[in-house]
Amino acid sequence: AQSVTQLDSQVPVFEEAPVELRCNYSSSVSVYLFWYVQYPNQGLQLLLKYLSGSTLVKGINGFEAEFNKSQTSFHLRKPSVHISDTAEYFCAVLQGAQKLVFGQGTRLTINP
Amino acid sequence: GAVVSQHPSWVICKSGTSVKIECRSLDFQATTMFWYRQFPKQSLMLMATSNEGSKATYEQGVEKDKFLINHASLTLSTLTVTSAHPEDSSFYICSARELTGSSYEQYFGPGTRLTVT
Repeated sequence: AQSVTQLDSQVPVFEEAPVELRCNYSSSVSVYLFWYVQYPNQGLQLLLKYLSGSTLVKGINGFEAEFNKSQTSFHLRKPSVHISDTAEYFCAVLQGAQKLVFGQGTRLTINP
Repeated sequence: GAVVSQHPSWVICKSGTSVKIECRSLDFQATTMFWYRQFPKQSLMLMATSNEGSKATYEQGVEKDKFLINHASLTLSTLTVTSAHPEDSSFYICSARELTGSSYEQYFGPGTRLTVT
């Protein structure tokens, strides 16, 4: 079975600073990877996804992620964060044809 | 874009009663719907996968007689928590996968917070 590890449970950063949220996956086969954001008391919103092609994936809200097969990583980055980016972020891998396996989540807190 | 709704958004019920949560895909047809459970400050745990017109597939450790899932149409799935107990209090989130989609993307509902007293 595939699994996802988000290495940081909490990441505090100052506004306008860059941020990287780390995600590692375990899989011996082709992977489809996703990053979702969850605002308080809400469902999940897709930030970006990697299915194939370019390893650098650009998503919404200025986020991007890079698929690194050799390091089995899919880290999420943003060059300059805003207060509104405060949320929980989940990395996920598609297992089989349809089952999403989520990481533990990273709480991103932006300080003014 | 694809929108998934859930109703109710929150519900409080007494121990021993049953609660039904609806999940609807508003502007697309969903071949498959998924039900997740999320405890405070934790990740989402898949409970079951349901395909329209067939029985749901439950994840290991999820009681199918307690969490009844019905996927009667391509736009509606329901989760019924039967004989609810305080330990069933949680945030329940559904997602739907589009009928014609090839991007493997799931669209998530806003969630339903269940509190059992």
